Amino acid sequence: DVVMTQSPLSLPVTLGQPASISCRCSQSLVYSDGNTYLNWFQQRPGQSPRRLIYKVSNRDSGVPDRFSGSGSGTDFTLKISRVEAEDVGVYYCMQGTHWPRTFGQGTKLEIK
Amino acid sequence: EVQLLESGGGSVQPGGSLRLSCAASGFMFSAFAMTWVRQAPGKGLEWVSTVTTGNDNTYYADSVKGRFTISRDNSKNTVYLQMNSLRAEDTAVYYCAKGMTTFDYWGQGTLVTVSS
Repeated sequence: DVVMTQSPLSLPVTLGQPASISCRCSQSLVYSDGNTYLNWFQQRPGQSPRRLIYKVSNRDSGVPDRFSGSGSGTDFTLKISRVEAEDVGVYYCMQGTHWPRTFGQGTKLEIK
Repeated sequence: EVQLLESGGGSVQPGGSLRLSCAASGFMFSAFAMTWVRQAPGKGLEWVSTVTTGNDNTYYADSVKGRFTISRDNSKNTVYLQMNSLRAEDTAVYYCAKGMTTFDYWGQGTLVTVSS
């Protein structure tokens, strides 16, 4: 199974400051079709997960442009340029290249 | 508007069975794979199972293989998860999600509690 390792697991951030979450994978996520199926999800307290980013860097409709995804192969990053109060929650990376699908452990973002 | 509405959760004793349903609307259901993801209380997300468009391919996590069966009825825009031989460690909120390589829409989840 592909192991997805997120860091940090806890991320206290001051409002207006940037934040960054790393996701490292035990295998390359490049699929035979050339795509890299690395996704980022946000789960606010008490809510269902919501997709933010797909295929490494594609932002979903309605996701603020302060969120960005980058990376390749086995190393990926989610960045928030300026954290807002509504960004509080847990962030998960997930790979859709290999079976079984696997998620990172989650990174809990809180306001300092 | 895409909507996924799970139902069928509840409390069951170890060894028991439940069938979850997920009614989909707002998109061409038959054209998309569908997935179940679960979240144990206070824990992270765990992929459970995926079914491709025509029930022709199904995939399972090792933790549920042989006990859970995913299926879909494209005429009813519904995906199912039949859960047998339930264990305490299956206690979780079960989410239905659209997709296979990515999950662009999620339901609100249904809680399954396995306890004696």
